[in-house]
Amino acid sequence: SAVISQKPSRDICQRGTSLTIQCQVDSQVTMMFWYRQQPGQSLTLIATANQGSEATYESGFVIDKFPISRPNLTFSTLTVSNMSPEDSSIYLCSVAGRSSYNEQFFGPGTRLTVL
Amino acid sequence: RKEVEQDPGPFNVPEGATVAFNCTYSNSASQSFFWYRQDCRKEPKLLMSVYSSGNEDGRFTAQLNRASQYISLLIRDSKLSDSATYLCVPRENNDMRFGAGTRLTVKP
Repeated sequence: SAVISQKPSRDICQRGTSLTIQCQVDSQVTMMFWYRQQPGQSLTLIATANQGSEATYESGFVIDKFPISRPNLTFSTLTVSNMSPEDSSIYLCSVAGRSSYNEQFFGPGTRLTVL
Repeated sequence: RKEVEQDPGPFNVPEGATVAFNCTYSNSASQSFFWYRQDCRKEPKLLMSVYSSGNEDGRFTAQLNRASQYISLLIRDSKLSDSATYLCVPRENNDMRFGAGTRLTVKP
C-alpha cells in the first residue's frame, strides 16, 4: 500500500477564511481522491483529481468552494474556501491501490474546525 | 433507499465471541467489494477485499451474494483490538460508496 501524508493534521479557522490541505504520496499514482467525513457520518467523495486534467466533482461540491490542484503524480492540494462552521469536518485524501480490485488507501486526514 | 445500508450497531460482545455484520447495496453494477475498519479519530484502513466466492483471512470471513446484493463479514474469536467501526464499501469503476459503518466494541 502507498504511504500517504497530509498537512496540516488539524486546524482551527475563522469563518470566511480559506485553508489549503496538502496530500503527498510516496509513489506515483494516477488518481487521487478527496473525501469529507463529518462527525458521526461516513465518507463522502468530494472530487477525483487526475494529474494534468481538471478535477471531477461529485454532486453537491463545486470548484469555487473546493479548488483542487494536482501538479504531479505524487501530490495534490484541496482548498476549502470561504469557510463556514458547516465545513467543520475531517478531510481525507486517498489513492487507488495497484491490485486489480482497485482498493483505496487513505491519508491520516485533516481535522478542520471552523469557528 | 440508501446506496449502502449497514446496521449501525453498536455491537457489544465479549472477548472470544463470534460476530457477524451485514450490508446491502443498491447499485447492481458494483464490481468490487471491500470491508474497511476505522478506529476512532483515525482514517479508514482496508480490512479485506471480498471475492465472489467468499474469502477468509485469519479470523475474518467475507461473503458476497450478488443476486441479493448483500455482503457479510464474520469475525471469530473477537479480540479487544477488533473494537472499531466496520465500513462496507462496494465499488463501480472508480466510484467507491462507503456505508455509514457498524460499530463494534469487544469487552474483556
